Amino acid sequence: ETGVTQTPRHLVMGMTNKKSLKCEQHLGHNAMYWYKQSAKKPLELMFVYSLEERVENNSVPSRFSPECPNSSHLFLHLHTLQPEDSALYLCASSQGEGHRNSPLHFGNGTRLTVT
Amino acid sequence: GQNIDQPTEMTATEGAIVQINCTYQTSGFNGLFWYQQHAGEAPTFLSYNVLDGLEEKGRFSSFLSRSKGYSYLLLKELQMKDSASYLCAVLDSNYQLIWGAGTKLIIKP
Repeated sequence: ETGVTQTPRHLVMGMTNKKSLKCEQHLGHNAMYWYKQSAKKPLELMFVYSLEERVENNSVPSRFSPECPNSSHLFLHLHTLQPEDSALYLCASSQGEGHRNSPLHFGNGTRLTVT
Repeated sequence: GQNIDQPTEMTATEGAIVQINCTYQTSGFNGLFWYQQHAGEAPTFLSYNVLDGLEEKGRFSSFLSRSKGYSYLLLKELQMKDSASYLCAVLDSNYQLIWGAGTKLIIKP
């Protein structure tokens, strides 16, 4: 099994739909992250969970709603998205509390297209 | 503001050497990471530098100069599989990770 698994790999949704992205890590890490990756732009941190508690929320619109039921699973619930939300959404995990000097382990991402 | 600069795209020849530069202006410094990302895949960790100098890992080396706010990733004996984007990221004094936009490296036969 790969360390961090994301599903689905691709998602096309209309602006009125509700969908969820799922992430699972098999590395025993205690911090998990959602990142947004748009073409030719730096990675944008969206949410950080450490020991299942949200420790960071970088002014993300409320149409994105994270959920972390346990240290191995992370969800991103999506509703009433806009076309500019189309991007690659990456999940990552790391050992320790949030960003420290331990590297991030990323999933392959969900390519989201909002029509 | 905080900023990471790296070239958008570079081209190199198989078997050659390429150096990818990264300059940063951040509020403090707690280390610099390099990640590799193949198209359609996850970024994967390559190196971490927190002290000045060169760290070598096989064909890949990473250099850091904190006084100059500068790092580079050196790739030797280039192979076609090295075609990827290379992401530079700096941990600032608050342990926020500041990312560059990435350098797309194209390897030609």
